[in-house]
Amino acid sequence: QVQLHQSGRGLVRPSQTLSLSCDISGDSVSSNTAAWNWIRQSPSRGLEWLGRTYFRSKWQSDYADFLKTRVSINADTSKNQFSLQLKSVTPEDTAIYFCARDSPFVDPTDFVVEFAFFDYWGPGTLVTVSS
Amino acid sequence: DIQMTQSPSSLSASVGDRVTITCRASQTIDTYLNWYQQTPGKAPKLLIYSSSISQSGVPPRFSGSGSGTHFTLTITSVQPEDFATYYCQQSSRPPLTFGQGTRVEIK
Repeated sequence: QVQLHQSGRGLVRPSQTLSLSCDISGDSVSSNTAAWNWIRQSPSRGLEWLGRTYFRSKWQSDYADFLKTRVSINADTSKNQFSLQLKSVTPEDTAIYFCARDSPFVDPTDFVVEFAFFDYWGPGTLVTVSS
Repeated sequence: DIQMTQSPSSLSASVGDRVTITCRASQTIDTYLNWYQQTPGKAPKLLIYSSSISQSGVPPRFSGSGSGTHFTLTITSVQPEDFATYYCQQSSRPPLTFGQGTRVEIK
């Protein structure tokens, strides 16, 4: 059974860097089928995908365009975890942050659909940006 | 970016009612459409993927359909534990995007 456990500070000052980690049990961050995502949720913006990291012969990352200059998602294979760093935060970045696993499936034509759905989620971390 | 629009944004239903939620994509996404259920204080839970395939353990009263730009989630006989918020999400191409949610409330 896959479990994701989140850690990190819940209060961040404006202009500082938000840092969160997601510890994985029951799977490997180096899996060549899964991807590891960060998603946030706020009343004003709803659910927003921030980005993902995954290993396919080499490490790769994809990010949401609106955050691309501020966001970094990295894997730590020694701890079997992945992390989110969001620089230069503002109160607009106040949200619940979730980590989530993205999994593939095989469709009826035997085609492997990668990055198909988020099947395991962390419990969420409320991060408030305030001075 | 692909915009996902759900309707209605909220609805009231009685136990045993049939409930239908619609999700429209701003561009065609084939069947790369997932549905999630979220209850207060919890992370979203995967219900349906690839438009119509039920995740393991999801009750058969939940079903999904659609392709291209128009999708529906149906609950054939809503139960007390189904009162929650439902989200669609497209997995066709990044950035992955969600609908704004449909809150299902008890009438």
